[in-house]
Amino acid sequence: QQQVKQSPQSLIVQKGGISIINCAYENTAFDYFPWYQQFPGKGPALLIAIRPDVSEKKEGRFTISFNKSAKQFSLHIMDSQPGDSATYFCAASMKTSYDKVIFGPGTSLSVIP
Amino acid sequence: DGGITQSPKYLFRKEGQNVTLSCEQNLNHDAMYWYRQDPGQGLRLIYYSQIVNDFQKGDIAEGYSVSREKKESFPLTVTSAQKNPTAFYLCASAQGPRTDTQYFGPGTRLTVL
Repeated sequence: QQQVKQSPQSLIVQKGGISIINCAYENTAFDYFPWYQQFPGKGPALLIAIRPDVSEKKEGRFTISFNKSAKQFSLHIMDSQPGDSATYFCAASMKTSYDKVIFGPGTSLSVIP
Repeated sequence: DGGITQSPKYLFRKEGQNVTLSCEQNLNHDAMYWYRQDPGQGLRLIYYSQIVNDFQKGDIAEGYSVSREKKESFPLTVTSAQKNPTAFYLCASAQGPRTDTQYFGPGTRLTVL
């Protein structure tokens, strides 16, 4: 029940295309859903995050869509660029224990010219 | 220039040796964390500390030890009891134990020879 599932494991998108990464969770107590971006050999960095009271959050080319009833959320990267090539992790945590952030297994995104 | 530093970037260890990974932050954050990253498995929590002189085990604490004698420092010791220590180790910090956003260091790659 503490798992966060993420798909696909890897993704290849052409420059200018839309990258979509999906995540699903079981624990309805989760109330914070961040996405982290990690470049090779670097630590993850917070990209964008959402709480369950909204269905969508957009920051530049990055959008999170959230479906509370389906317990699913997804990251959309519009106009994907080669510089977006990285590993993306979705995650979930709850306000009673933000110490315990549950990470998905990650998606390796390659944006080809 | 605020942030989290980890050293060394690469570390090689012979089987049976203990090794200590350094993590320092100058963000004045109360909470600090250690994660282990293996390919295709996301991030797994080893230990975390909400306040100086206090720390708790995470999901995979066996074979590891930590200390938190200073607010800015949270070193991790990988002991010889850790069966499969080769991994990428990430340190993170957060403003407080109930703060949802964690900030990561650049990581240390440990290889056991």
